[in-house]
Amino acid sequence: EAGVAQSPRYKIIEKRQSVAFWCNPISGHATLYWYQQILGQGPKLLIQFQNNGVVDDSQLPKDRFSAERLKGVDSTLKIQPAKLEDSAVYLCASGIGTLAKNIQYFGAGTRLSVL
Amino acid sequence: AQKITQTQPGMFVQEKEAVTLDCTYDTSDPSYGLFWYKQPSSGEMIFLIYQGSYDQQNATEGRYSLNFQKARKSANLVISASQLGDSAMYFCAMRESWTGNQFYFGTGTSLTVIP
Repeated sequence: EAGVAQSPRYKIIEKRQSVAFWCNPISGHATLYWYQQILGQGPKLLIQFQNNGVVDDSQLPKDRFSAERLKGVDSTLKIQPAKLEDSAVYLCASGIGTLAKNIQYFGAGTRLSVL
Repeated sequence: AQKITQTQPGMFVQEKEAVTLDCTYDTSDPSYGLFWYKQPSSGEMIFLIYQGSYDQQNATEGRYSLNFQKARKSANLVISASQLGDSAMYFCAMRESWTGNQFYFGTGTSLTVIP
């Protein structure tokens, strides 16, 4: 079974530029998550989807971050414009099971460097 | 207050020995789930074990077991018979079921297995 696919693996941009990350979840997984992991910290949940509806986006900085889940499958996360503090690894995960016991499977992440 | 606290930034264990990684949590939600994930240097988060707040028995998965002490709000991970491949970051996480479905990670513990 194919895992969670993310692209690109690495991205370097200058501040105030825009960037987009793509995630393809495991087939059949209804839940999809985006996390931000700053070096030396645990992942911070930005947004979670159940099919193509948003379950929680309370931690998403909506003035610059946006995310969508196309037809309940693939998802994109966009940052516009980027700031220096956005430098981090962006992890996508897809989950199976109820929300309460949702086992998440993670992709390899996209490492973003904002210069 | 931190939702998940991992007080051990780094731990060392001799190969074949057992090791306990500490995790305490803070919630007033009666229904919650506790998770442990492993993050090797490659960056991909790997699910290890799950404990539900209503589960009567401590969870076990192969060499991993979760020492769940509800009254103390503690969910320590025990790894038995450590192997060199266990060297990684370990994250404790929690999902609250009633208060918004947020998912929280701790700051992690770096485990090094010594041959």
